Amino acid sequence: DAKTTQPNSMESNEEEPVHLPCNHSTISGTDYIHWYRQLPSQGPEYVIHGLTSNVNNRMASLAIAEDRKSSTLILHRATLRDAAVYYCILISGGGADGLTFGKGTHLIIQP
Amino acid sequence: DSGVTQTPKHLITATGQRVTLRCSPRSGDLSVYWYQQSLDQGLQFLIQYYNGEERAKGNILERFSAQQFPDLHSELNLSSLELGDSALYFCASSVEGQGGDEQFFGPGTRLTVL
Repeated sequence: DAKTTQPNSMESNEEEPVHLPCNHSTISGTDYIHWYRQLPSQGPEYVIHGLTSNVNNRMASLAIAEDRKSSTLILHRATLRDAAVYYCILISGGGADGLTFGKGTHLIIQP
Repeated sequence: DSGVTQTPKHLITATGQRVTLRCSPRSGDLSVYWYQQSLDQGLQFLIQYYNGEERAKGNILERFSAQQFPDLHSELNLSSLELGDSALYFCASSVEGQGGDEQFFGPGTRLTVL
C-alpha cells in the first residue's frame, strides 16, 4: 500500500472545527483513503473513508484533493472525547490486505 | 460497542507457553483480521481470513497461527511465547474484506508474557 504522511500532533480548542491533513502523493487509482482513530486504552475506531469524492457522515467529513494526493479529515465541532490518535490509511480496492497503520496524528483538545 | 467480541480481556502467561485468543466478528461480517499493538512496533497487521479461508498475511511470525471456523469466529494461536510477544492483540471484522469496507475493531486482548 502507498504511504501517508501526517503531522505528529495537533492541538485545537473544544467546540472549534479541526482539520487534520494527510499527504499521500503516491496514491494509486484504486486506493481508498480511510481514517481511523484510537482513543486511549481502546481499539481503533473507523471514522470515514472515500475514493474520489468528498464524504460526510455523522462523525466527520473527508475532503479529497482533486489530484487525490492529499486529503483532510474535518471534525466540525471538536469535543474532549475527540482527543485521540488519528490514522490516515490507504488500502487498495482489491482489499486483500490489512490496514497499514503509521504513527498517526495525536489530536489534543483544549477545554 | 463495535459488535466484535474478544476473549479473554487479559492473559498472563510465562515464556515458552502457548495461548489461544478468540474473536467473534460482527453479525454478517465474513472477514476477520488480526492486529498486534506493541509499544515499540505500533499497530501491525498479522493476518486476514475471509469466509474460512486465509486471504492475506502481514507480519505474522511462524510461531503464530490462526484460523476461521465455519461459524466465522476466529482464533489466534501464539506458541513458544517470548517476552517480546507481550502486546495488545486486536481482532477486526468487515463485511467482504474489500478495500472499500470499514473494519470494526474489538476491545482487544492484553497479553503479558513473564
